[in-house]
Amino acid sequence: GAVVSQHPSRVICKSGTSVKIECRSLDFQATTMFWYRQFPKQSLMLMATSNEGSKATYEQGVEKDKFLINHASLTLSTLTVTSAHPEDSSFYICSARAGQSDSPLHFGNGTRLTVT
Amino acid sequence: QKEVEQDPGPLSVPEGAIVSLNCTYSNSAFQYFMWYRQYSRKGPELLMYTYSSGNKEDGRFTAQVDKSSKYISLFIRDSQPSDSATYLCAMSAGNRLAFGKGNQVVVIP
Repeated sequence: GAVVSQHPSRVICKSGTSVKIECRSLDFQATTMFWYRQFPKQSLMLMATSNEGSKATYEQGVEKDKFLINHASLTLSTLTVTSAHPEDSSFYICSARAGQSDSPLHFGNGTRLTVT
Repeated sequence: QKEVEQDPGPLSVPEGAIVSLNCTYSNSAFQYFMWYRQYSRKGPELLMYTYSSGNKEDGRFTAQVDKSSKYISLFIRDSQPSDSATYLCAMSAGNRLAFGKGNQVVVIP
């Protein structure tokens, strides 16, 4: 149980375009989902917390107008990278908890974004 | 001092050996402790989830927590080449979650 599906797994886009990444909880409902970014050989960096039916909470230094988050249902959160630039190239991973606040996070398989 | 310290490795071991990984932390509020395995270009996969001090076993994996020393460990017995991955420790207190940097493990056939 507790499967998180993330799509697409890999995307290449041109500078200036926008890319949408979807994160779905397949067998549970998630009122909260988390979006992480990971650089090579680095740990996970929390970007934002996505809350169903309300605005996302962004970590310090993360531009909310650049990384648009929508959590329209209990099983779907989306991250849109707007006006992408090469420095946005990274590995983006979403996660969610299947239970209460202290239950462990379950992660999607990540999206490798390359901006050319 | 970082909240969670984890030696990034890499750690190379021969097949069949015991892999020993550990993390230290500074925030005594952390109550829940997790180990994740991450293969290259994949998302982290939950391996172990513990709450109290002591040992927890699951197959070839043993997680150990020592809250008094703020030290957690993961042991992998009879290591296999398929265990080659990056292992991340994580710990939480309420909604707050902190990760280690990850420790790359290579099991040599």
